[in-house]
This record gives sequence, structure tokens and C-alpha cells, in this order.
Amino acid sequence: NAGVTQTPKFQVLKTGQSMTLQCAQDMNHNSMYWYRQDPGMGLRLIYYSASEGTTDKGEVPNGYNVSRLNKREFSLRLESAAPSQTSVYFCASSPGGGGGTGELFFGEGSRLTVL
Amino acid sequence: DAKTTQPPSMDCAEGRAANLPCNHSTISGNEYVYWYRQIHSQGPQYIIHGLKNNETNEMASLIITEDRKSSTLILPHATLRDTAVYYCIPTNSGGSNYKLTFGKGTLLTVNP
Repeated sequence: NAGVTQTPKFQVLKTGQSMTLQCAQDMNHNSMYWYRQDPGMGLRLIYYSASEGTTDKGEVPNGYNVSRLNKREFSLRLESAAPSQTSVYFCASSPGGGGGTGELFFGEGSRLTVL
Repeated sequence: DAKTTQPPSMDCAEGRAANLPCNHSTISGNEYVYWYRQIHSQGPQYIIHGLKNNETNEMASLIITEDRKSSTLILPHATLRDTAVYYCIPTNSGGSNYKLTFGKGTLLTVNP
């Protein structure tokens, strides 16, 4: 089982460029999440999708958009990247839906640098 | 979500038990206590969770006080690979808007 797969693992952008981080899970989970982690900080929730067809803002949504493409895939888009968005981005999934254990499974992270 | 207080760092000798405390005095009745850890540069890893009873699995034990205002994660025989940041997270489990809010956690350093 691959679990949660994120692409790309590394990316360097110039200010103003756009890009999409891709995330896919193969565990048939209902819920998916995007977090960011800055150096020395805990993870902060950007957006989440409790189930296919729904998305909600987390703690730090400004500057980002998300798409829950289907049950497997949840993408994060930066329309106009800024240096403040330099961070490590983690995607996660959980069974969710009221019947799950609540355990989150995380990907390996995508390291984004905005110059 | 309940606020948590964890020590910023702790040390433990290899082979000894590591006891990581967490204060969550504002936890509500339907919130579980989840513990995750994050080894350097990797995604967080689930360890264990509980509601009010003590729990044990192959990784750790979780002791929750009777008033549920605090808990302790116990790694019975710490190894160097247990060096990580440990997060204590009270949250409602599995609900339709379930999400986790991470604090800064405790950096556990296991020394040889």
C-alpha cells in the first residue's frame, strides 16, 4: 500500500508563479487535509475536505485554493506564490465520516521554496 | 478544541521509560486525547488515543487521569529512533468535521 502520496517532493518557485501540489490516497478514506509547517513550528491546517464534494477552510487558508477531485485526490493550489508561503506542506487522510477512528495518515511532505 | 500544555523538551536515556506529560484541563466530554509524533522532516505518525480509560498498543501506553484534565504518554523502553517531537491533541474523533490542531509539542531526545 502506498498510503498517502504527495507530488512534487521539492519545488522552487519565483514570486508570483502558480503551482499545484497533488495528493492521492489509496485507503478509501473520506477525509483529506492540507497542512503547512514552518521551521520550528507545529503544523497548521490550511484546508480540509471532510468528504468528497466538500471543502472547508482551516487556520491559514489565505493564498491557497483546494480541489477535492474525487475520493482519492485532494490538490492544493497557489495562484500567486509569495515568499511567506515557503514551507513544508503535508497532506493527510483519515477514515472520517463519523465512523472512523480519527487517525490521520500523513504523506512525506512537499518542500516548497518561493524566491 | 481544548488547549494543551506540553513541556517544550525532555531528555531520556536509551532503554529507560520516557514519560511525556500533557495538560488539557479544558477538554470537553466528547473529546479524545490523541498522540502523534514527528521524526525530523517526516510526516507525523499516529501513536495512540484514548477517551477516559488507559490504553496500550505496540508503540506506547496512554494514562489519562480520572478527571481527564491531563494525560501521560509512556514509551516503555525508549530507543534512539524515538527521538522526535510528540504532540498531544484533544479532539472529537471521527465526526463529520473532524480535524486535528497541532501545537508545538515536546521534543524528546533519547540519549545513548
